Amino acid sequence: DQQVKQNSPSLSVQEGRISILNCDYTNSMFDYFLWYKKYPAEGPTFLISISSIKDKNEDGRFTVFLNKSAKHLSLHIVPSQPGDSAVYFCAARINFNKFYFGSGTKLNVKP
Amino acid sequence: KAGVTQTPRYLIKTRGQQVTLSCSPISGHRSVSWYQQTPGQGLQFLFEYFSETQRNKGNFPGRFSGRQFSNSRSEMNVSTLELGDSALYLCASSKMGPSGTTSYEQYFGPGTRLTVT
Repeated sequence: DQQVKQNSPSLSVQEGRISILNCDYTNSMFDYFLWYKKYPAEGPTFLISISSIKDKNEDGRFTVFLNKSAKHLSLHIVPSQPGDSAVYFCAARINFNKFYFGSGTKLNVKP
Repeated sequence: KAGVTQTPRYLIKTRGQQVTLSCSPISGHRSVSWYQQTPGQGLQFLFEYFSETQRNKGNFPGRFSGRQFSNSRSEMNVSTLELGDSALYLCASSKMGPSGTTSYEQYFGPGTRLTVT
């Protein structure tokens, strides 16, 4: 059951520009949404989160937006840097600690 | 502080065999979750253990089982292996948040790469 979807398998962006990664979900009972970053041969690393009662959360160059009516989540990276090149997963939490992950978007930031 | 460790890192098994994977969470973390990652499928939730009890379960067949010990270390077992079980198996741990509930932030280990031939 694909309750969390990332429809873009890859994204290519020029260094210094904005990267926008998108995620859609179906279950309105999710209480937290998260973004993880994954490099090859490593486990995912937590990046930023947002509670279901908020619509925006910022942390440095990273901002997550939540549109509950559209059941849509996005991660903005400004400005993008080559070191941001990785696979990004969105995730949603339900039932204390049950998570649904998207299939990931591979971001390539070109110097 | 040591991170989440998983052993072994790589494993090759034959169809029909069984396998046990191990995960040691970050010290003090009591919640341990297991995920299966396959190309194009993202991370699929297997189960979560908290204080030696399975608290959440994903949509996997009964061949996939797990347990957690009193020191919060966890093991995952897959019996009667199938070719489709070839994947990266990730373990993640979470600490308790300030309100007494489990924090949503998970710390992942590097994974165990299982190949079934």
